[in-house]
Amino acid sequence: RKEVEQDPGPFNVPEGATVAFNCTYSNSASQSFFWYRQDCRKEPKLLMSVYSSGNEDGRFTAQLNRASQYISLLIRDSKLSDSATYLCVVNIGTNAGKSTFGDGTTLTVKP
Amino acid sequence: DTGVSQDPRHKITKRGQNVTFRCDPISEHNRLYWYRQTLGQGPEFLTYFQNEAQLEKSRLLSDRFSAERPKGSFSTLEIQRTEQGDSAMYLCASSLGLAINEQFFGPGTRLTVL
Repeated sequence: RKEVEQDPGPFNVPEGATVAFNCTYSNSASQSFFWYRQDCRKEPKLLMSVYSSGNEDGRFTAQLNRASQYISLLIRDSKLSDSATYLCVVNIGTNAGKSTFGDGTTLTVKP
Repeated sequence: DTGVSQDPRHKITKRGQNVTFRCDPISEHNRLYWYRQTLGQGPEFLTYFQNEAQLEKSRLLSDRFSAERPKGSFSTLEIQRTEQGDSAMYLCASSLGLAINEQFFGPGTRLTVL
């Protein structure tokens, strides 16, 4: 079993739709969580950190469920420009350097 | 451009040859990471440095792989006796601080082993 698992998709949604991705992690000692975005043939870029209380950045909402060991990303009012692969990232400990990436969920937003 | 840079961007080599990649992080960043990514997979952690100290190395990394960051600035990743399975995108990232912060990735070096 992989340490970080994501539904690979693809998710194909129309513009304006709301879409949610989940990510599960296996190590209960995990402390830091992030969502990165990776466009085709580009490097990953941080989308948002995930805080215990949940956090929102515009159309994006991230939530953490420690008991069930999963994090989620909700995208509201999808735009064409949201089409990308979304990578879930988990770190064990707040200072540990090893980041474990999921294999990503691919989103395609269609007009 | 003050982002993370990597050189070369592409490398084609024959099996058995040695290759070396360079990463220049964002200048004030003290942490530097190396990852490997293949098609359809997420970046796979290889190793990371805090300043010049290599603090962790993936157990998946064979002895053919070595990384250095001699002065706490740029880093090199060397692969000896390359194998076809080493073909991948090699990504470098850097971050600032002691806690886990945003990692800024370079454009990567695409390695093809023939």
